[in-house]
Parts: sequence; structure tokens; C-alpha cells
Amino acid sequence: EVQLVESGGGLVQPGGSLRLSCAASGFTFSSHWMSWVRQAPGKGLEWVANIRQDGSETYYVDSVKGRFTISRDNAKNSLYLQMNSLRAEDTAVYYCQSSDGDNFDYWGQGTLVTVSS
Amino acid sequence: QSVLTQPPSVSAAPGQKVTISCSGSSSNIGDNYVSWYQQLPGTAPKLLIYGSNKRPSGIPDRFSGSKSGTSATLGITGLQTGDEADYYCGAWDSSLTAYVFGTGTKVTVL
Repeated sequence: EVQLVESGGGLVQPGGSLRLSCAASGFTFSSHWMSWVRQAPGKGLEWVANIRQDGSETYYVDSVKGRFTISRDNAKNSLYLQMNSLRAEDTAVYYCQSSDGDNFDYWGQGTLVTVSS
Repeated sequence: QSVLTQPPSVSAAPGQKVTISCSGSSSNIGDNYVSWYQQLPGTAPKLLIYGSNKRPSGIPDRFSGSKSGTSATLGITGLQTGDEADYYCGAWDSSLTAYVFGTGTKVTVL
């Protein structure tokens, strides 16, 4: 069974940093693109970033470029999102997603990040 | 800011049909496949349609997808109370080099 389990969310002050993790199991992690998608309270989905199977390519939504870094450790079957210079508008549930754009598409349960003083 | 536009809400009686539109541009829908997701309250999104018109195994054929030019459509027939959810389209945007989701549509079963 495919499982994606996010962790690392919590309350952080504006300007602070947080590192999210996503532990993957039940599939060959190193064979699939991975993404982070977020959803602000009561709002729609917003794609944040993705990373190629070997980590050689990464892409970001404009609003997080220069502040967030996506990375992966295929030996540990783990995905990460380093978030720096956090702003109130980064408050959201952050989902880990494994998707190749075809029928292989799985999501974690999400972890809540709250940016507030 | 979403670049794919969906109607905020659609509704119909049980057993009826609804369609949800997703309007984009040549750099996203016009150039790439569209996916559709269903998000039930308090849960993670679930893939309904990929490749613009393909259903993953386990998704009933009541759900269908189509694409024409820079627009896509999700159809739901035989509407059930369990279909009440938010629905999102999504596609890669070749110009932005980013994935974009639609604004989302809430389906209500009357």
C-alpha cells in the first residue's frame, strides 16, 4: 500500500524557518516525481514545488522562489521542503504528492503550517 | 493566483448530470494534459481523471473528462450525495514552468 506521511508542521513566527518531511513507503520512491501542494484555510489548492526522480530538476511557484527549497533523499525514501523567511500567507496545510502526471498519483494526509506572531 | 478558471459552484438533484468547466490558455491546457481531482471535506485530494480523459482504476465511469483547445470539462452523471465535494482541474504550464490548479468548484447535490 502506498503511504505518504508528512511531518514537521507547526506554529512559526513571521520570518522564521521550518522543514517539512514526507516519508514514503509502498512504492519505488526513486522512480517518481514528487511535489508539495498547499491549501490555505478555506482556500483552493496551490502547487508549491516539484522535484525529478534523481533530484536534478526542481521547479517552484513564483511566490516561494528564493525562500523554499525542495529536496529528496532516495536512500531514505524521503521528501523535504525547507521553508525560510516565512510569511503569514504561507499558512496552509502542506501535502506531499507523488505524481508522474499519469494514473500514479498519491497524496499524504497533510501537515499544518501556521505563520503567526 | 490561479490561472485556470472554474465556476465557484454547480448543483443538481440526485441522479442528474453536472459539468464543470476549466478555462486556461495555450501554455497550460492548450499544451498539456489535464487532471481532475475530487476533495471531500477534511481529506486530501483524490485523482479522478488524468491525461485529460482517462480514469484511474476504481473511478466509476460516471466521471468523464474532455478537452478542447484551451478548455477542459469534467462531467458527473448519476449524481450521488457522496459526490458532494470540491473539484479541481490542474495542468502543467509550459510558460510558467509550474503546475497550476483551477480555482475549484463546489458540487452540491440538491
